[in-house]
Amino acid sequence: NAGVMQNPRHLVRRRGQEARLRCSPVKGHSHVYWYRQLPEEGLKFMVYLQKENIIDESGMPKERFSAEFPKEGPSILRIQQVVRGDSAAYFCASSPDRGGQYFGPGTRLTVL
Amino acid sequence: AQRVTQPEKLLSVFKGAPVELKCNYSYSGSPELFWYVQYSRQRLQLLLRHISRESIKGFTADLNKGETSFHLKKPFAQEEDSAMYYCALGRETSGSRLTFGEGTQLTVNP
Repeated sequence: NAGVMQNPRHLVRRRGQEARLRCSPVKGHSHVYWYRQLPEEGLKFMVYLQKENIIDESGMPKERFSAEFPKEGPSILRIQQVVRGDSAAYFCASSPDRGGQYFGPGTRLTVL
Repeated sequence: AQRVTQPEKLLSVFKGAPVELKCNYSYSGSPELFWYVQYSRQRLQLLLRHISRESIKGFTADLNKGETSFHLKKPFAQEEDSAMYYCALGRETSGSRLTFGEGTQLTVNP
């Protein structure tokens, strides 16, 4: 019973490059969430998706950030033209229809 | 607006002592409260849900709607309880985002 998988675990990008973070939910879970944890802060909600639909993106920065959860394959969080302030841990979580969320190990993004 | 407050960033107790990690929330609807734990170098794990009313690893938490609190308690702390604890608030609906507190780092000393 594999839990939520995220890759890569660590990602280093230079300013201006693109970052792609992948998340495979627990098998059978139809809800995927992305959270960001900045240094010395708690987790902050970014976006909530179901298959092929964005349900709530109220926590997403208006520019450069996008997310998808296609019919086949993992969910992707994409950050274009990264800046130093994007350096953080990005966590993905999945849940069944009702119940708590199960978290992945996170991707630590470092922007040089 | 949803808000979760964990007033203590750090909490240190001795092994065998009682421990209480505080959590207060603000939310106008029907809340669903959770405690998550993150042990060193491990992923965030779900510890408790208020609707389950269960005890996990000796921890319990009771939702007090009058005081808008969901404090986590354990009567006798163990060294292996040392970890980061996050209180989280969701809605009692399918597919609800979570609002997290800032977390409390619990250290249990021998």
